[in-house]
Amino acid sequence: ILNVEQSPQSLHVQEGDSTNFTCSFPSSNFYALHWYRWETAKSPEALFVMTLNGDEKKKGRISATLNTKEGYSYLYIKGSQPEDSATYLCAPYNTGNQFYFGTGTSLTVIP
Amino acid sequence: DTGVSQDPRHKITKRGQNVTFRCDPISEHNRLYWYRQTLGQGPEFLTYFQNEAQLEKSRLLSDRFSAERPKGSFSTLEIQRTEQGDSAMYLCASRQTGVGSPLHFGNGTRLTVT
Repeated sequence: ILNVEQSPQSLHVQEGDSTNFTCSFPSSNFYALHWYRWETAKSPEALFVMTLNGDEKKKGRISATLNTKEGYSYLYIKGSQPEDSATYLCAPYNTGNQFYFGTGTSLTVIP
Repeated sequence: DTGVSQDPRHKITKRGQNVTFRCDPISEHNRLYWYRQTLGQGPEFLTYFQNEAQLEKSRLLSDRFSAERPKGSFSTLEIQRTEQGDSAMYLCASRQTGVGSPLHFGNGTRLTVT
């Protein structure tokens, strides 16, 4: 079992604020790092799959960076909107072929 | 691509009863995963299949849990002699082989054991 930590556990921000969260994971046997967004009453949806150290991915106002040597990834949301309210999950993918998820960061954007 | 479907969406059962859930993955996906999620936690890995072979099973899983994927298509997850602690959301996901291939999740089955 991989020890995957996400912080903060929950976050409340005002509409228009920018925010970021952290995912920490063991750096050994690393293949990829996945980010998912899980909105209430929906199924988790993939945001990014990152594989290379120094990788940066962007989708609209959301971006992510990856540091495989020290075992962390940051997710950034610029100008948060109410529709960004969700739980954001990260899961490293290693040689074991499983995905072990962190506890997630619950984001609430207040209009 | 019709997505991953799970059945039923909700299941209420009495303690001690057996329950079975079904997952239909995306047809071209050869890998299928089961997860359990409880309040305040991320999805907890239960087991995964590559085609019909069950390649990994979580050590956290008791002998009351069993999963199958006959013919490498749909999968079932059975819980025998349910306990109140089994109440959770059970998620199924599938993906293609490949490091860059993400998980595609179903909507889950919400189990309540009374």
